[in-house]
Amino acid sequence: KAGVTQTPRYLIKTRGQQVTLSCSPISGHRSVSWYQQTPGQGLQFLFEYFSETQRNKGNFPGRFSGRQFSNSRSEMNVSTLELGDSALYLCASSLTGTAAYEQYFGPGTRLTVT
Amino acid sequence: EDKVVQSPLSLVVHEGDTVTLNCSYEVTNFRSLLWYKQEKKAPTFLFMLTSSGIEKKSGRLSSILDKKELSSILNITATQTGDSAIYLCAVDRGSQGNLIFGKGTKLSVKP
Repeated sequence: KAGVTQTPRYLIKTRGQQVTLSCSPISGHRSVSWYQQTPGQGLQFLFEYFSETQRNKGNFPGRFSGRQFSNSRSEMNVSTLELGDSALYLCASSLTGTAAYEQYFGPGTRLTVT
Repeated sequence: EDKVVQSPLSLVVHEGDTVTLNCSYEVTNFRSLLWYKQEKKAPTFLFMLTSSGIEKKSGRLSSILDKKELSSILNITATQTGDSAIYLCAVDRGSQGNLIFGKGTKLSVKP
């Protein structure tokens, strides 16, 4: 069974631009969660989608948004990029999203904002 | 505000040493505590501890949950260079799999 895939793996953007990251969950998984990982703050929860609906949201500004498609693939978008948005963005998928230990993480997208 | 604190932030040991990593938490709604190993990018699941199961063991790794002290430890015995990684502690607060993570402990095992 293929794992969670994320594209692109690396990205360099300039301040003020916007970016879209993609996550394809494990086949059959309907829940996708997004996390931001930085050296200073560690891993922080962004939001979780289940069946195309956002079920839970972390404490991030509105510049961070996401969506989920009918095939469970998910995208997250960051608008008006800031230097502080440089991070590793991880997504995790699970069957229903009700059991945290069932989450499988993808390899992440490394975003660098210059 | 809910928080998870790990210590130490980094640790350097030699092969064969035993290490203990610490995790303490303050959360309003505790469902379980999880440990992950992150070697390059994707964290991989190690253990889950709940109020009904406070000790887990897998090979050289073991973990204990102290419900009274709101903390957990991860022990690694006879460390190997392959144990070098960031070890993450997270608490599941029960709301649709929303995890709150500590900042991690970076373990380096020297030959």
